[in-house]
Amino acid sequence: AQRVTQPEKLLSVFKGAPVELKCNYSYSGSPELFWYVQYSRQRLQLLLRHISRESIKGFTADLNKGETSFHLKKPFAQEEDSAMYYCALRANEKLTFGTGTRLTIIP
Amino acid sequence: GAGVSQTPSNKVTEKGKYVELRCDPISGHTALYWYRQSLGQGPEFLIYFQGTGAADDSGLPNDRFFAVRPEGSVSTLKIQRTERGDSAVYLCASSLKGGARSSYNEQFFGPGTRLTVL
Repeated sequence: AQRVTQPEKLLSVFKGAPVELKCNYSYSGSPELFWYVQYSRQRLQLLLRHISRESIKGFTADLNKGETSFHLKKPFAQEEDSAMYYCALRANEKLTFGTGTRLTIIP
Repeated sequence: GAGVSQTPSNKVTEKGKYVELRCDPISGHTALYWYRQSLGQGPEFLIYFQGTGAADDSGLPNDRFFAVRPEGSVSTLKIQRTERGDSAVYLCASSLKGGARSSYNEQFFGPGTRLTVL
């Protein structure tokens, strides 16, 4: 069975400082990993996926199979980044989510 | 076009009652998913439809939970004899198509139905 772990429930970062949201996974197959974000009073939405190797809103995430990690990073935090972030693994069409990290950017 | 919609947005019921939660997926999306999110947790998978049939219902917690999608579009999640532990936000998502090879199919989420069982 697959599992996703986000060790930090809460993370506060000053505006302009670097951000790293941690995500570790366990899965016996080849993983598909995603980051989802939920802004205040909005629905859950896809932020980025490891397959695309893209940067969205300045965020990047690299899949490290050796460490079974998919940490989310941004070099300079902005106030609008404050939100709930969920790491998710897809296997057999279903998504398995971590418990989420609430990121607060301090002005 | 409109995104995934869910009704009602809030539902308060008493223990032992029956409830139905509705999901309208994005038009043309053949795959539909139900998740449940309890307080302080991430969403947990319940069931996945491909067209009219349930392709995977392994996440349904027990036989009090049932979901249908009779015409391959709207889906209804039904909960019988509700218990206080069923209180959660129930999320619906849809994607263009399911299937093991559709690695790029994004799941679009609805706003959720907050169910409170008193």
